[in-house]
This record gives sequence, C-alpha cells and structure tokens, in this order.
Amino acid sequence: AQTVTQSQPEMSVQEAETVTLSCTYDTSESDYYLFWYKQPPSRQMILVIRQEAYKQQNATENRFSVNFQKAAKSFSLKISDSQLGDAAMYFCAYRRNYGGSQGNLIFGKGTKLSVKP
Amino acid sequence: NAGVTQTPKFRVLKTGQSMTLLCAQDMNHEYMYWYRQDPGMGLRLIHYSVGEGTTAKGEVPDGYNVSRLKKQNFLLGLESAAPSQTSVYFCASLRALEGNQPQHFGDGTRLSIL
Repeated sequence: AQTVTQSQPEMSVQEAETVTLSCTYDTSESDYYLFWYKQPPSRQMILVIRQEAYKQQNATENRFSVNFQKAAKSFSLKISDSQLGDAAMYFCAYRRNYGGSQGNLIFGKGTKLSVKP
Repeated sequence: NAGVTQTPKFRVLKTGQSMTLLCAQDMNHEYMYWYRQDPGMGLRLIHYSVGEGTTAKGEVPDGYNVSRLKKQNFLLGLESAAPSQTSVYFCASLRALEGNQPQHFGDGTRLSIL
C-alpha cells in the first residue's frame, strides 16, 4: 500500500524568507500524481501545486515550487517570499494513475507552517 | 459557482444518535469521496463512489454508510454515533481519473459526539 510521510509536524519562517516543506512517499507504481494542499484556519482545502510523475520538470506556481525526486520518492514544497497569508497546515498527497486508481488521495499527516512578521 | 457544498457545517450529537451528512456538487463530476480529518492523522478515506448508484469502502469505513442515488449528491450516514466518530468530515469530487485533475473539496463538517 502507498504511504505518504511528512516528517516535519511544524515549521516556522520569517516573512519574506524561503521555507521548504518535506514529503516522501512509498509506492511500487511508476505512474502517479502528487499534490500539495493548503488548509488555512478556515478549514478549506486549497490546491497549491500538482506534479505528474512522468514529468521530469518541477512544477511551479508563482511563489510555490516543488523539488520532485522520483528515484528518491521525494516531493518537497518550496515557498519563496513567504507571506503572512501562507500560514496554514500543508498536506502532501499521492494519487495513483487512472489504470489502478479510483481517484482517491492518500495524505500525509501534515505540516503546520507559521509565518513570523 | 458553488462547487462542493456540505451540509451541515457543524453538529453536536449524543452517543447513539443517528444523522446524515449531505454533500452536493454542481460540476457534474463522476467521482465523489468522504474523508475524515483527525488531529495528527491527516485525511483518511471513509467511502467513495465512482458514479451514480455505486459506492465502495475506503480505509476507515466502519460505523458509516453512504448512498449516491443522484450523481450530484453523496450522503454519509452514521447509524449509531460513537465518540470515536468525533472528527471533521470532508467531501470531495473529481471529474475524471485521466490527467492530474485535482479533487475539489467542500468546506468540511465539524461533528462532535458527546
């Protein structure tokens, strides 16, 4: 069974600085998708960024980028120029490709990010 | 542009009571999911549906039942609530399995069982 591990329960960053959140996963599949979701205190689940396993290029969305290392099964999230609004719980999630999937996500336990002004 | 709507947003029950959580999506998505979120546990899949009239068990299905009589609705039932079911419940939908399409989440239901 696939598992997702987020080894940092809590992280803190100074406003305007850069922070990296770690995520590793375990799978025997070669085709899958990876996601980072943000959950602010409002409880909403907000998609931050996504990555296809077959793509070598790391995904980027404005201040958010990933470092996808397929061989190492690592999918870290880098937040540049951190803002107060980035403070939230961040979840890493895995999904098998459609050939063996029902579309459900497997989540890590989350990393709580605090941003200091 | 409602997306995924969960009803109610908050509820307190007594042990042994029953209730139904409603999830409605207006995006014509095929796939729907119920997750529960507990402190330090992330989100775990309870049940899911791959289309109207279908349901299947996820990782933590015990104590819950589901139904999907209409494509747009996915109901989660607790027949006899237990304190261990105190949690935040999220519904999500997915248009199709192909591609890296993300799941769309509702805003969650906070359920407390006393």
